[in-house]
Amino acid sequence: DIVMTQTPLSSPVTLGQPASISCRSSQSLVHSDGNTYLSWLQQRPGQPPRLLIYKISNRFSGVPDRFSGSGAGTDFTLKISRVEAEDVGVYYCMQATQFPQGMTFGRGTKVEIK
Amino acid sequence: QVQLVESGGGLVKPGGSLRLSCAASGFSFSDYFMTWFRQAPGKGLEWISYISTTGTSIYYADSVKGRFTISRDNAKNSLYLQMNSLRADDTAVYYCARGGRNCDFWGQGTLVTVSS
Repeated sequence: DIVMTQTPLSSPVTLGQPASISCRSSQSLVHSDGNTYLSWLQQRPGQPPRLLIYKISNRFSGVPDRFSGSGAGTDFTLKISRVEAEDVGVYYCMQATQFPQGMTFGRGTKVEIK
Repeated sequence: QVQLVESGGGLVKPGGSLRLSCAASGFSFSDYFMTWFRQAPGKGLEWISYISTTGTSIYYADSVKGRFTISRDNAKNSLYLQMNSLRADDTAVYYCARGGRNCDFWGQGTLVTVSS
C-alpha cells in the first residue's frame, strides 16, 4: 500500500493568517492515465469528511477559493490563504491512484486557532 | 440535493453480525460507484470497500476481506454492508460515500461498537 505522510500533525494558526499542510506519498501518485489522484478532505468537529480538492488542485463545488492545492509526483501541499474560524478541523490527504485496489489516507492535520 | 443516510449501527458482541444500509437521494444512484469508509474513535479514515454501478466490480480492504460483503440495490437507491465475524477493532463510525476515486459526498455515518 502507498503510505501517506502528513506534516505537521497539528497547526495552530492566527485568524486571517495563512496555513500550509504537506503530504508526501511513499511512491509516485502519477497514474498510467496521466492523472494524479491526490485529494484533500476536511473534517470539522463532529462532522463527516468533506471533499475540498481533487486531482491535486481542483476545488470541489462550493469550496472557497482561499483553499488551494499544489504539488506533483510524491509531494503535495494544501494552503489556506487566510484562515477563518470555520476552517477549524482535521485535514486529510488521500491517494486514489491505486483505486480500486485500495485508497489510503494521511494521519490528518489538526488546524486550530491560536 | 445529494443525501446519504446510513443506518444499522449499534452494539454487537465479538463474533456477531450487523448489516449497515445507506439510503441515497438527490442523484441518480445507479450512475455512481459507491464506497464505504470507517473511522475508529479518535483515529483517522480507512477505506473499506467499493462497488461499481452494477455491482459487478467489488473490492475490499485486507482488514475486512472475507468478513464483510458490500452490495447495492439500484431499484431501492440503497447501498449495504454486511459485516460478519465482528472484532473489537471493527469499532468505528462507518460512512458511505458517493463515487469511487473521488468521493464527493459523504453520509453522516453510523456507529458500530463491538464489545462484550
